[in-house]
Amino acid sequence: GNSVTQMEGPVTLSEEAFLTINCTYTATGYPSLFWYVQYPGEGLQLLLKATKADDKGSNKGFEATYRKETTSFHLEKGSVQVSDSAVYFCALSSYSSASKIIFGSGTRLSIRP
Amino acid sequence: DGGITQSPKYLFRKEGQNVTLSCEQNLNHDAMYWYRQDPGQGLRLIYYSQIVNDFQKGDIAEGYSVSREKKESFPLTVTSAQKNPTAFYLCATGGQGTPGELFFGEGSRLTVL
Repeated sequence: GNSVTQMEGPVTLSEEAFLTINCTYTATGYPSLFWYVQYPGEGLQLLLKATKADDKGSNKGFEATYRKETTSFHLEKGSVQVSDSAVYFCALSSYSSASKIIFGSGTRLSIRP
Repeated sequence: DGGITQSPKYLFRKEGQNVTLSCEQNLNHDAMYWYRQDPGQGLRLIYYSQIVNDFQKGDIAEGYSVSREKKESFPLTVTSAQKNPTAFYLCATGGQGTPGELFFGEGSRLTVL
């Protein structure tokens, strides 16, 4: 079945550091891939998405590229800010089971001033 | 404002009591979902509905019930049969866009005393 594996946290970085959060997936067919962000005490928000191989999703300085050859969708940001502290979830959906979106376990990111 | 409203934000329950969590949306989305989130963990699907008057069990439906009498509303009842109900509950909707692109409410935190 479909699955998503993302790096365990917590991840702690200093402000302006480079961020990578790894995400790999297993899926049949051609899934769509997502990164969601959850700030403390809130629901999730869509951060970025990619719907086909080699697509790059980007938003708020974050980027992720859909790599079919390595089944990966790693989240990157060149210079993190304290306000980026949150939990990040990688997710996938496929047309074969569009109603059941598969989420990774989440990675908590803390940024030190 | 367009969006998803969950209420109450915080709820305390005594053991043996049923409680109902409200989820209302004005996004005109067909699909609605209920997820459970436990501390430090990812999201687990409880129930989902693709259309009015129809819903399906997710991965952890035991001890929960839902209804979908109106497009705008998808209430979740946590029954006394749910053995460990203390958790953060998230309602989400999905529209006609990319399958897997979800919009979340701010969540309801249920604590059993």
